[in-house]
Amino acid sequence: GESVGLHLPTLSVQEGDNSIINCAYSNSASDYFIWYKQESGKGPQFIIDIRSNMDKRQGQRVTVLLNKTVKHLSLQIAATQPGDSAVYFCAEKGDSGGSNYKLTFGKGTLLTVNP
Amino acid sequence: NAGVTQTPKFRILKIGQSMTLQCTQDMNHNYMYWYRQDPGMGLKLIYYSVGAGITDKGEVPNGYNVSRSTTEDFPLRLELAAPSQTSVYFCASRPRDLTAWASNSPLHFGNGTRLTVT
Repeated sequence: GESVGLHLPTLSVQEGDNSIINCAYSNSASDYFIWYKQESGKGPQFIIDIRSNMDKRQGQRVTVLLNKTVKHLSLQIAATQPGDSAVYFCAEKGDSGGSNYKLTFGKGTLLTVNP
Repeated sequence: NAGVTQTPKFRILKIGQSMTLQCTQDMNHNYMYWYRQDPGMGLKLIYYSVGAGITDKGEVPNGYNVSRSTTEDFPLRLELAAPSQTSVYFCASRPRDLTAWASNSPLHFGNGTRLTVT
């Protein structure tokens, strides 16, 4: 079946460093990808998204890169802060039929920022 | 707007008991979803609805039922609770977008219901 997965389940960085969280996806027909942040005891919160016709998109301190050739997605966080500590999920959306309404989530990466 | 509100926050059930997890949103969103999140795992889609009166199964619908009688509410029903249903349940919603998903219409999640079945 189709799946979205992460290379690294945990990532520990020093405050001020840049963080890179990776995600592999297997559905080559997916046309939209999202990164979510989930803090302890809360629901996932939207961070940034990217369409399949783009390879890079920047937000405030975050950048998402999409490499369709190898079906890889990454989230870069600049100048990581303690408040960035959370679990980060990538999610993908299929491009047809019922999959157009739904997101498929990866397992998540726990990011810990050390002061 | 309160956003997506889930109740209760926590619940412990005995095997075989039933309960309804409530979800309501005040954003007039057409699409609503129920996900479950097991420890160390991503979110798995249980059921979703694209509008009042319409529901569809997701990846893991067995053991659950839903209804969507109004735009605002999307309750999830467990009829015979089993230990395998111990999980955190998230409800989410998004506005109808006839063109495509976009950052101005992402999924909005509630804060979850933590359910333990013993």
